Amino acid sequence: VQLVQSGGDLVQPGGALRLSCSASGFTFSRYAMHWVRQSPEKGLEYVAYISSDGGSTFYGDSVQGRFTISRDNSNNILYFQLSNLRTDDSAVYYCVKDGMEAYGDYTFDHWGQGTLVTVSS
Amino acid sequence: SYVLTQPPSVSVAPRETARMSCGGDDIADKGVHWYLQKPGEAPVMVLSYDRDRPSGVPERFSGSSSGNTATLTISGVEAGDEAVYYCQVWDISSDRVVFGGGTKLTVL
Repeated sequence: VQLVQSGGDLVQPGGALRLSCSASGFTFSRYAMHWVRQSPEKGLEYVAYISSDGGSTFYGDSVQGRFTISRDNSNNILYFQLSNLRTDDSAVYYCVKDGMEAYGDYTFDHWGQGTLVTVSS
Repeated sequence: SYVLTQPPSVSVAPRETARMSCGGDDIADKGVHWYLQKPGEAPVMVLSYDRDRPSGVPERFSGSSSGNTATLTISGVEAGDEAVYYCQVWDISSDRVVFGGGTKLTVL
């Protein structure tokens, strides 16, 4: 299993960014996927979920309405669109594979390498 | 909201046994998952559902859960086990994923 992330950057408050996660080594379309972020202030923080077919999504309270998770099962890519960014969104963002097929069970059995998002003026 | 409490640090000598706790209300009723994270690296799962080891995790890693405390035990600790260890559950009542604050394991 490999999860290779890209897209992190320095962005101004109110700005936007799209993170990508290219998956290989497993049948991507069978597994739910997640985004988890980590900052020194908040530690590990769960931010988003998407079911294997993309039909169900869920967001943490702190990002609801600002961030959007999506997936391209034809090309094995997970996306995370970040909008209206705030300084407290600054963190390392991890793409994470669920351990169970279909809707998942919130076990995080493989993690991407992480990508740094810095929100600052 | 559901809270998981971990001690900030644990220190053990090589070849000794390290025990790291994770406290939460009725945690034994939930499946607890454990991850280790070394500096500059992503977390890695070491146990799922209290005691199940993913492929490739040494048998030295074991887990248990009872009442309000889950425990990760590492037998025969090695220098390479130095890391921060996190516990995690899915709280069905709030439909939220919760992480503990992490315990830094130091091998003396």
